[in-house]
Amino acid sequence: EAGVAQSPRYKIIEKRQSVAFWCNPISGHATLYWYQQILGQGPKLLIQFQNNGVVDDSQLPKDRFSAERLKGVDSTLKIQPAKLEDSAVYLCASSSGGRAKNIQYFGAGTRLSVL
Amino acid sequence: QQPVQSPQAVILREGEDAVINCSSSKALYSVHWYRQKHGEAPVFLMILLKGGEQKGHEKISASFNEKKQQSSLYLTASQLSYSGTYFCGTDTFGNEKLTFGTGTRLTIIP
Repeated sequence: EAGVAQSPRYKIIEKRQSVAFWCNPISGHATLYWYQQILGQGPKLLIQFQNNGVVDDSQLPKDRFSAERLKGVDSTLKIQPAKLEDSAVYLCASSSGGRAKNIQYFGAGTRLSVL
Repeated sequence: QQPVQSPQAVILREGEDAVINCSSSKALYSVHWYRQKHGEAPVFLMILLKGGEQKGHEKISASFNEKKQQSSLYLTASQLSYSGTYFCGTDTFGNEKLTFGTGTRLTIIP
């Protein structure tokens, strides 16, 4: 079974530029998550999708971050404009969804450096 | 609020045992444990649910004290491959929304 795919693996941009990350979840997984992981910290949930609907985006900085999940499969996370403090690893995870004991499977992440 | 993990870091010799703790200020529905190696994705280890149900890898054991809102992960006869940072993720409402802890860095030396 293929895992969660993310691209790109690395991205370096200058502040005030825009950037987008892409995630392809495990086939059939209804729930998709985007996390931000700052160096030395645990992942922090940014947004949770159930199929193509947003379940929770309370921690997403909506003035600069946006995310969508078209057709309930792939998802993109965008930052516009980027700030220095956005430097982090952006992790995508998916689960079969609907039950609290579902396992979240993580992708390898995109490491973003904002200069 | 973020769960607190202890210790923050531990160094073991191969074959020794370790306990990693996760403590929350809120009542918990479930606790999820992950291990993350540098530059890699977090890897699932175990889920512990309210009521006693557990799901995870055979070689991993853990406990969940619902009254104290604490969970512990037990690593016995540690191997070099156990090195990494361990995170607990807590679900307060059973809605699959995890809040991850501060992490415990485990280093195993030969």
